[in-house]
Amino acid sequence: GAVVSQHPSRVICKSGTSVKIECRSLDFQATTMFWYRQFPKKSLMLMATSNEGSKATYEQGVEKDKFLINHASLTLSTLTVTSAHPEDSSFYICSAFPETSGQETQYFGPGTRLLVL
Amino acid sequence: LAKTTQPISMDSYEGQEVNITCSHNNIATNDYITWYQQFPSQGPRFIIQGYKTKVTNEVASLFIPADRKSSTLSLPRVSLSDTAVYYCLGISGGYNKLIFGAGTRLAVHP
Repeated sequence: GAVVSQHPSRVICKSGTSVKIECRSLDFQATTMFWYRQFPKKSLMLMATSNEGSKATYEQGVEKDKFLINHASLTLSTLTVTSAHPEDSSFYICSAFPETSGQETQYFGPGTRLLVL
Repeated sequence: LAKTTQPISMDSYEGQEVNITCSHNNIATNDYITWYQQFPSQGPRFIIQGYKTKVTNEVASLFIPADRKSSTLSLPRVSLSDTAVYYCLGISGGYNKLIFGAGTRLAVHP
């Protein structure tokens, strides 16, 4: 299957700082990527849809000024958590759709564990 | 987006066949039924996808009745490493956002 990577795999930061998480499609191009957040023992919650060359679309209740998304190329989307606070500590996961795969599905990255102290 | 209902949890033993049923009464005509597996602290992994009847791959089988209002994921001869959360979703296109339900937490015991 298609491969999606994320970097870093885990990050610890101080409250008030910003953290950038990268999502890359390694062997395919993706005009659309998705960002999810997952709290312990809970399901994935969609945060936003990242569109190459245009603004991201955020789900209701997700602050676009806090979670900045940039999709500058067909293989890279970044999520920046600005002025992070302890309640932003979570597992962040991205996904992408291989447009030429012939399958109607998305492939997920391994996730990034964020801990805000 | 199809709303799906799955059992919250299931228990099994090594070597047994496990069947997880998902109910999706309002699935759209264009939706493909898709199952993902997620281990702790990892992203979901695609397992299998089908539209109707039966699909089989090296990992699992997917059974979908003619009315498509439910589907069953079948895992043959499970091992301890199959302990994970399994999600059922209806997907009508890779560009479309996915809404995850609670999933089924499968525990395989020795």
